[in-house]
Amino acid sequence: GENVEQHPSTLSVQEGDSAVIKCTYSDSASNYFPWYKQELGKRPQLIIDIRSNVGEKKDQRIAVTLNKTAKHFSLHITETQPEDSAVYFCAASSANFGNEKLTFGTGTRLTIIP
Amino acid sequence: GAVVSQHPSRVICKSGTSVKIECRSLDFQATTMFWYRQFPKQSLMLMATSNEGSKATYEQGVEKDKFLINHASLTLSTLTVTSAHPEDSSFYICSARDFSGGTDTQYFGPGTRLTVL
Repeated sequence: GENVEQHPSTLSVQEGDSAVIKCTYSDSASNYFPWYKQELGKRPQLIIDIRSNVGEKKDQRIAVTLNKTAKHFSLHITETQPEDSAVYFCAASSANFGNEKLTFGTGTRLTIIP
Repeated sequence: GAVVSQHPSRVICKSGTSVKIECRSLDFQATTMFWYRQFPKQSLMLMATSNEGSKATYEQGVEKDKFLINHASLTLSTLTVTSAHPEDSSFYICSARDFSGGTDTQYFGPGTRLTVL
């Protein structure tokens, strides 16, 4: 089965600086890579996702890059703000409109220092 | 994005009782829903995949007779924790797959915090 590793487990950055979280996956058949943000006691919220037919995707201050050859993908948050503080999870699946499940990384606790 | 609700948000029960948790997709139909368990400061662990009109698929190590799943309609899946014990105390989260608009995206419910005394 799929195995997703995520680093770092904790990350603290000064407000305004950039944050980068990295994930690797093991199953070369995986083709869908979402990122979720989870605040304490709340549901995971999808913030961005990427499919294997593209290498990079941006949405305002958030971007995700994918390297299929190396089997890794990264989340980039620029101009960080205090409200970016949360736990971020990466995930991977071979989503193909079937019943494929998401395999989650272990999470990164991001703290933005004002 | 699509909305998924979950009920109840919190439940406290005595050891040995059963607890039912509902997961609903409010503005889309979900042939597939997932049930996760999350311990404090840990990742989401998939328990089972719930398929409308058929039996759920359980992950290795998850007792299907203890965690009963029913997906009777395209908008509702239920998880029943039978004969709950303190070690079943956890945060249970469901998600539903939305295929509308040509995409395949999972949206999560707000979670249910179960405390077994």
